[in-house]
Amino acid sequence: SAVISQKPSRDICQRGTSLTIQCQVDSQVTMMFWYRQQPGQSLTLIATANQGSEATYESGFVIDKFPISRPNLTFSTLTVSNMSPEDSSIYLCSVGQGGTQPQHFGDGTRLSIL
Amino acid sequence: GESVGLHLPTLSVQEGDNSIINCAYSNSASDYFIWYKQESGKGPQFIIDIRSNMDKRQGQRVTVLLNKTVKHLSLQIAATQPGDSAVYFCAATRGAGGTSYGKLTFGQGTILTVHP
Repeated sequence: SAVISQKPSRDICQRGTSLTIQCQVDSQVTMMFWYRQQPGQSLTLIATANQGSEATYESGFVIDKFPISRPNLTFSTLTVSNMSPEDSSIYLCSVGQGGTQPQHFGDGTRLSIL
Repeated sequence: GESVGLHLPTLSVQEGDNSIINCAYSNSASDYFIWYKQESGKGPQFIIDIRSNMDKRQGQRVTVLLNKTVKHLSLQIAATQPGDSAVYFCAATRGAGGTSYGKLTFGQGTILTVHP
């Protein structure tokens, strides 16, 4: 399966600031997704990162808060904007080829906002 | 929309026992299901998957059963080992296209603890 690298692996940020998380894959993939995992909880899909076009956001998530880029088939970024303590979570990138092929995940970015 | 839930949030077993983790899903249009294992500090790791045209699929020490009639799937782990201790998630999606194509809906997660 693809090797997925996320940076940073963790960060502590001040409220009101923004952080950009990077996801790099070692091979071209059709689909890239961003998930949030709040402490002790399951994963929730934030958005689908579409190569060459605007990301598709799930209900409850908006582009102004979570802008996403996907300039090519191996790289995507998620920015968490104007952070508040409620944004403290693990943010995970996943990749897949679509259809009935499993998605694979990076190890996530552990974000704490003070 | 889709919701996927688990019957038991925690499971504690002895080493060598067989473990069964259950999951229910709500969207009958889901046609592809995946089990993931998540260890502390790591992202979810793929264990096994099953398509809706199958009832059972076996891997190494793991078996997934799918009952489409009652929208239920389970993960069976044979001869559970301490290294199997982790959180296990089921996830469902539509693999056949449409607006939900590729999007995973995750269950709550079951914490499996294996005692030596």
